[in-house]
Amino acid sequence: DQQVKQNSPSLSVQEGRISILNCDYTNSMFDYFLWYKKYPAEGPTFLISISSIKDKNEDGRFTVFLNKSAKHLSLHIVPSQPGDSAVYFCAASAGGTSYGKLTFGQGTILTVHP
Amino acid sequence: EAGVTQSPTHLIKTRGQQATLRCSPISGHTSVYWYQQALGLGLQFLLWYDEGEERNRGNFPPRFSGRQFPNYSSELNVNALELEDSALYLCASSSQGTDTQYFGPGTRLTVL
Repeated sequence: DQQVKQNSPSLSVQEGRISILNCDYTNSMFDYFLWYKKYPAEGPTFLISISSIKDKNEDGRFTVFLNKSAKHLSLHIVPSQPGDSAVYFCAASAGGTSYGKLTFGQGTILTVHP
Repeated sequence: EAGVTQSPTHLIKTRGQQATLRCSPISGHTSVYWYQQALGLGLQFLLWYDEGEERNRGNFPPRFSGRQFPNYSSELNVNALELEDSALYLCASSSQGTDTQYFGPGTRLTVL
């Protein structure tokens, strides 16, 4: 049972345009969501997060949107740069017996073309 | 500020052997988490240690174990290694009361 899903395995975008990465979740107990960027053979790098009490959080070129009713979040990167090319993972955490555990999606490969 | 560090970078073992992986958290962080990323699979939660205690455990057999030391560094031990234990093992840390986990570069374990 995959509780966090990234349905697009890959996304290709032109430099300077907007990249939109999507993530869906099924567990209504999730209350904190994060996006990570990962290069091959390296650990994930934290990008941005959002609490379930918010619907938007911005940090520079990165904005995360949360739609709790649809159980959907998205990461917008504007403008996209070639250095953004990497695998992007969304992750979610919940309290209770799942506290401390991040549940990850399968990842989306973003390629930004010059 | 130094990030999460892990050692060794690569580790090659044979079936049935034991592997020990090490992690040093970011200075000031008290929680350490371990994840496994096997080929073709996503990141799977293994263990969470905080203040020297195991706080939560993922769906892995007991031969995956670990500990956290008084300086908050951590070890992950994998006993009776199996071929399917070959994976990238990632350690993360967080400060007390926060949910954001910061990851290290990982240890690539290969079981032959």
